[in-house]
This record gives sequence, C-alpha cells and structure tokens, in this order.
Amino acid sequence: TQLLEQSPQFLSIQEGENLTVYCNSSSVFSSLQWYRQEPGEGPVLLVTVVTGGEVKKLKRLTFQFGDARKDSSLHITAAQPGDTGLYLCAGEETSYDKVIFGPGTSLSVIP
Amino acid sequence: DAGVTQSPTHLIKTRGQQVTLRCSPKSGHDTVSWYQQALGQGPQFIFQYYEEEERQRGNFPDRFSGHQFPNYSSELNVNALLLGDSALYLCASSLAAGTQYFGPGTRLLVL
Repeated sequence: TQLLEQSPQFLSIQEGENLTVYCNSSSVFSSLQWYRQEPGEGPVLLVTVVTGGEVKKLKRLTFQFGDARKDSSLHITAAQPGDTGLYLCAGEETSYDKVIFGPGTSLSVIP
Repeated sequence: DAGVTQSPTHLIKTRGQQVTLRCSPKSGHDTVSWYQQALGQGPQFIFQYYEEEERQRGNFPDRFSGHQFPNYSSELNVNALLLGDSALYLCASSLAAGTQYFGPGTRLLVL
C-alpha cells in the first residue's frame, strides 16, 4: 500500500524566516506534485517533479525530488504571510495511476 | 475560461440519507477525479472517470458511486450517509493523465 508521510505536521514561523517541509514514502513514484491549499478552497498545483535528483525553483520556493524518487522536500526562503496554507505532496506510481496525497503540513507565517 | 466548478458549495444531511454532488470540468478536460478530504487530512482518492467509465477506484465502499456524462461533467453519489462521511469533497479535472486542476469543493455535514 502506497503511503506518503509529511513532516512537520504543523509549522508556525515569523515572517522572513526560512523553512523546509518533507515528504517521504517507501514507494517509488514516477512523479510527485506539491500543492498549496487555502481554507475553503481546493489544492492548487505548485510544481511537478519527475526525475530523481531534480531541483525546481519557483520564486522563493525550492523543490527537490530524492535520487530514489521516494522522497521530496520543499524549502521556502524568507517566508511571507501569503505563504500561509496547507502544503500537500502527492504522488503517482505510474501514469494514469491514482494520485496519493500526504496528510499535509499546515504552515502559518506570522507578520 | 471557467475553471473546475462544483455544486453545491455546502450541504447538510442526516444519517441514512443520500446525496448527489456535481462537478463541471475545466474546458477541454476529459477526465474527472473525486476526492474526500476529512478535516485536518490530505485528500483521499475516491474514483476517476474517463470516457464515461470508472477507470480507477480507491478504497471506498460501494455506497460511493459516480457517473460521467457525455459533456464530461460528473456526479458523485453517496447512499446511506454516515457521520463519518462528513468532509470536503473535491473534484479535479485533467486532460488524460495531465495536470489535475481542483475545484473549490463541496462541504458536506452529516448530522
């Protein structure tokens, strides 16, 4: 059974601080996605990583896919209050496979 | 270009009742997936529809059923509602195995 774990579960930091959240699994994924979800809304895709060791940057966000394609990390530099939300990782073992979501990391950035 | 839309936005039902939730995919998308998101958790995959057929199914009982129409819109039906069915129900659409776009969800409360 595929299972994605995320850590930490909750994170509260001051504006301007850096942070890293992690997504881990015992399964190998063909692709892994990171989403951000705000209260009352659906998840919004931030990035998809496909290749082991791949690093993608989206402004202040840096995403890395583990070499073995079992884990990923999201690093945020100089966090802003607008970064507040639930960060979800999700993976597919193969194309057309069902998407498995982790439980999420709830981030709160305090001004 | 409208994104994924869902109706209703909120719904209150009592145990034993039946509910139908609706989803209109993003223009040009042919695949619809449904997810259940309990409070404080990540979305759980229910099933996926493509060409009016259920293509993938998660670990949900037969009380959960769906349908996709020729215009690619979709319905999720839940029979014999239980208290534990209270959740945010998310619909996501995609073009085949491409990027999924999520709707805002339907918040279901079972009393």
